[in-house]
Amino acid sequence: EAGVAQSPRYKIIEKRQSVAFWCNPISGHATLYWYQQILGQGPKLLIQFQNNGVVDDSQLPKDRFSAERLKGVDSTLKIQPAKLEDSAVYLCASSRDRGGSEQFFGPGTRLTVL
Amino acid sequence: GESVGLHLPTLSVQEGDNSIINCAYSNSASDYFIWYKQESGKGPQFIIDIRSNMDKRQGQRVTVLLNKTVKHLSLQIAATQPGDSAVYFCAENDFNKFYFGSGTKLNVKP
Repeated sequence: EAGVAQSPRYKIIEKRQSVAFWCNPISGHATLYWYQQILGQGPKLLIQFQNNGVVDDSQLPKDRFSAERLKGVDSTLKIQPAKLEDSAVYLCASSRDRGGSEQFFGPGTRLTVL
Repeated sequence: GESVGLHLPTLSVQEGDNSIINCAYSNSASDYFIWYKQESGKGPQFIIDIRSNMDKRQGQRVTVLLNKTVKHLSLQIAATQPGDSAVYFCAENDFNKFYFGSGTKLNVKP
């Protein structure tokens, strides 16, 4: 079974630029998560999808971050415009369903904002 | 968000010894807990989980203990190996949202 795929693996941008990350979850997984992991900290949930609907985006900075999962499979996370404090690893995870299901994480995208 | 913390940021153990990593959580309504291992440059990897109706769960070389009275979670690794060196996170699930602690770095000395 293929794991969660993410791209790109690394991205360096200037502040105020835009950036997008892509995630392909494990086939058949209904729930998809985007996390932000700042160096030395645990992952922080940004947004959670159930199929193509958002079930939780309470910690997503909506003035600059957006995410979509149009067909209930792949997802993209966008930052526009980026700030220095957005430098982090962005992790995508998927699970069969919500709550008590094991999450499988992708390798992450390391974003550096200069 | 809820508070999920760890008592020690770094733990050093000798190869072959047992390791114990601790975690405190603040929300008594959390009903599902997970331990993850994260190696450098990789995403977190599931180790073991436990539901709130259990006190103990064992896996291969790992045991998770849950003490709901004091809201404490621990991960025990038996016969620690160099490959166990990583950062370990506990996470709690509260109303279908996962909250992660800040992690404990485990160093295994040969």
